[in-house]
Amino acid sequence: EAGVVQSPRYKIIEKKQPVAFWCNPISGHNTLYWYRQNLGQGPELLIRYENEEAVDDSQLPKDRFSAERLKGVDSTLKIQPAELGDSAVYLCASSLAQGPGLNTEAFFGQGTRLTVV
Amino acid sequence: AQTVTQSQPEMSVQEAETVTLSCTYDTSESDYYLFWYKQPPSRQMILVIRQEAYKQQNATENRFSVNFQKAAKSFSLKISDSQLGDAAMYFCAYAGGGADGLTFGKGTHLIIQP
Repeated sequence: EAGVVQSPRYKIIEKKQPVAFWCNPISGHNTLYWYRQNLGQGPELLIRYENEEAVDDSQLPKDRFSAERLKGVDSTLKIQPAELGDSAVYLCASSLAQGPGLNTEAFFGQGTRLTVV
Repeated sequence: AQTVTQSQPEMSVQEAETVTLSCTYDTSESDYYLFWYKQPPSRQMILVIRQEAYKQQNATENRFSVNFQKAAKSFSLKISDSQLGDAAMYFCAYAGGGADGLTFGKGTHLIIQP
């Protein structure tokens, strides 16, 4: 079975340009996460989806970041315009189910390394 | 808010020896889950071991085991018979009993000396 697929693996853009990341979760996984991992740090949650609904986007910088998960499957994370401080690895993860007593393993993709110059 | 602290930025161990990575966390919840993830240079986070807070027995997965001290809010990872392939960043992570994402520590870089 294929794991979580992310593209692109690497992206270099100039500041003020837009950028988008794509994630295809494991088939049947209802919950999808986007994390940002700064250099030398652990990942930090940006947004969590339950099917197509964003149920936790409190850490998403909404002035420049947006995300969508059409039909509850693939997801796209967009930054517009990008800033130098957005340079990081953006990780996507999915899990089968979430909820009280149902916290299951999250499977991660290989991430997209974004460099803003 | 929950926090996860890993106080060892880097650890080094000789191949075939045992190493313990430390993790402490802070939470007011009684139902939660703790994880250790491995992140090799490929960047993909790989689950090493998980522990449900309601279980008193420490989790074990082959050469990997944890020492879960709930009262002390401590969750250390022991790697026995270290292998070169164990070299990676190791992250301790917390998830609440509700529908939460993971809260990660800053990670420990594990070096295996041949």
